[in-house]
Amino acid sequence: AQKVTQAQTEISVVEKEDVTLDCVYETRDTTYYLFWYKQPPSGELVFLIRRNSFDEQNEISGRYSWNFQKSTSSFNFTITASQVVDSAVYFCALGRDSGGGADGLTFGKGTHLIIQP
Amino acid sequence: NAGVTQTPKFRVLKTGQSMTLLCAQDMNHEYMYWYRQDPGMGLRLIHYSVGEGTTAKGEVPDGYNVSRLKKQNFLLGLESAAPSQTSVYFCASSPLSTYRGSGEQYFGPGTRLTVT
Repeated sequence: AQKVTQAQTEISVVEKEDVTLDCVYETRDTTYYLFWYKQPPSGELVFLIRRNSFDEQNEISGRYSWNFQKSTSSFNFTITASQVVDSAVYFCALGRDSGGGADGLTFGKGTHLIIQP
Repeated sequence: NAGVTQTPKFRVLKTGQSMTLLCAQDMNHEYMYWYRQDPGMGLRLIHYSVGEGTTAKGEVPDGYNVSRLKKQNFLLGLESAAPSQTSVYFCASSPLSTYRGSGEQYFGPGTRLTVT
């Protein structure tokens, strides 16, 4: 069975601070896919990144960066110089290499990030 | 290009009533999904479809049925609503990947359902 753990239920920081959201996953698959989604107060889900298990390169996109470490089964997300607009619930998710098709994602319970001005 | 749309946006049902949630996508995606989101629980997969005419159960399928008669539509039905089905329901779609495995999922805006 697959499982995603986001141990931080809520994080509150002051604007311009750096913040890291943790994600730990469990899977028996050798090939799998990891995702981060953002859910702002408006409620929609916004795709941020997809990472394949066979590509352990870290990725940076503007103020966002992701650290994938297969050895510790972690896929952490860092926001540098946080802004109030980053306030949202962030979900980490795990997808399978299902062969004949894509059978859905397993989501963590989310981390509520609050950026105070 | 509207992406993924969901109808209705809000609904209040009484216990025992039935209803159908409609999801439509205009991106010609092969895969479609229904999730529910409950406070502190993240999103959980209810049912999914890998193509027109095919459906499969997800993590929490009990009390729901689905149909995918057309590629662009995925319907979620509640035959006899229960208070435990009070939730926010999200539909998502995903393109056929050029390689195996889970592709990016595009989500609809959600339907907030309350069962009293």
